[in-house]
Amino acid sequence: GENVEQHPSTLSVQEGDSAVIKCTYSDSASNYFPWYKQELGKRPQLIIDIRSNVGEKKDQRIAVTLNKTAKHFSLHITETQPEDSAVYFCAASTNSGGSNYKLTFGKGTLLTVNP
Amino acid sequence: NAGVMQNPRHLVRRRGQEARLRCSPMKGHSHVYWYRQLPEEGLKFMVYLQKENIIDESGMPKERFSAEFPKEGPSILRIQQVVRGDSAAYFCASSLQLAGVHTGELFFGEGSRLTVL
Repeated sequence: GENVEQHPSTLSVQEGDSAVIKCTYSDSASNYFPWYKQELGKRPQLIIDIRSNVGEKKDQRIAVTLNKTAKHFSLHITETQPEDSAVYFCAASTNSGGSNYKLTFGKGTLLTVNP
Repeated sequence: NAGVMQNPRHLVRRRGQEARLRCSPMKGHSHVYWYRQLPEEGLKFMVYLQKENIIDESGMPKERFSAEFPKEGPSILRIQQVVRGDSAAYFCASSLQLAGVHTGELFFGEGSRLTVL
């Protein structure tokens, strides 16, 4: 089955700096890669996703890049703000015939943005 | 749209008791997933259901755990004879299929936190 590795496990940055979180996956058939943000005691919420037919996607201060050859993808947050502090999870899944999006998650990165 | 609703939010059980966790998907969503999250861990897939069907239960322990998504009513994750190792947050997620195509995005509920004493 799919295996997703995520690094680093913790990341501390100063407000205004950039943050980068990296993930690798094992199943070359994986074709959907979402990123979720989870605040303490809250639900995971999708912040951005990318499919295997594109290499990069950007949404305001957040961007995701995908390298299918190397089987890794990364989350980039620019101009970080204290409210970006949370746990971020990457995930990967294979859409087999459009019927199952079973996500395999990384173990998460605790991002702390210091004012 | 009220989103994915889970209850109870917190549940305390003694070893050997049963735990029942309920999940109502977002309106119009026909796919339900259950995930378990241990402290400082990622989300581990347990089971994927559509109405009246278990599609994939490869992540669910073979014993004591069961799940259903009946034609009417919420999806239920049932844990029999709970043990301390079952203490975790259990998240339900739902997703939408449009014109036969799965959109991919999972919408999570707030989770049910089970504590086994």
